[in-house]
Amino acid sequence: EVQLLESGGDLVQPGGSLRLSCAVSGFTSRMYGMSWVRQAPGKGLEWVSGISGSGGDTHYADSVKGRFTISRDNSKNMLYLQMSSLRAEDTAVYYCAKARSSSSDGCFDVWGQGTMVTVSS
Amino acid sequence: DIQMTQSPSNLSASVGDRVTITCRASQTIRSWLAWYQQKPGKAPKLLIYRASYLESGVPSRFSGSESGTEFTLTINSLQPDDFATYYCQHYDNYYITFGPGTKVDIK
Repeated sequence: EVQLLESGGDLVQPGGSLRLSCAVSGFTSRMYGMSWVRQAPGKGLEWVSGISGSGGDTHYADSVKGRFTISRDNSKNMLYLQMSSLRAEDTAVYYCAKARSSSSDGCFDVWGQGTMVTVSS
Repeated sequence: DIQMTQSPSNLSASVGDRVTITCRASQTIRSWLAWYQQKPGKAPKLLIYRASYLESGVPSRFSGSESGTEFTLTINSLQPDDFATYYCQHYDNYYITFGPGTKVDIK
């Protein structure tokens, strides 16, 4: 069974840092792009960052560019999101998501259950 | 930047109704559009990809269509399990943007 399991969400002060992790199982992770998508409380979905199957190609939303870093370790079947200079507006549930196709990285067929990040003093 | 709009933002319907949700792109996006269903406290679920292709395991009462920059999600014979929020998503590799969502609730 294909599964994604996020962890690392926490309460952090503005300006602080946090690393989210996503454990991947049930498929050959290096074959698929992965992304982080977030959802602020009561709001819609916002794509945050994506990474190619090999890890050599990374992309970011303008709202997080220069503050967040996505990475992956295919040998450990893990996806990461390093977040720094956190702001109140980064408060959200963060989902990791798997690309549906190895040839198209932006449509997601498997999602994790989400991990909550709260940025507040 | 490509903007995605959805209408209506809220929709009240009854079990058995035929429901239509529209998503419009601010410019041509070819068929790079997906639809997701999300229930409270849960992750989104992929329903439709490439505008009209039904994801495996999704009931056939769900369908997608396109006409230019207008995309439609249709639910034939709404079921109790279908009350949820629906999002469209434009994707073109890592250019990804979601619509604001349409909440379908019980009339």
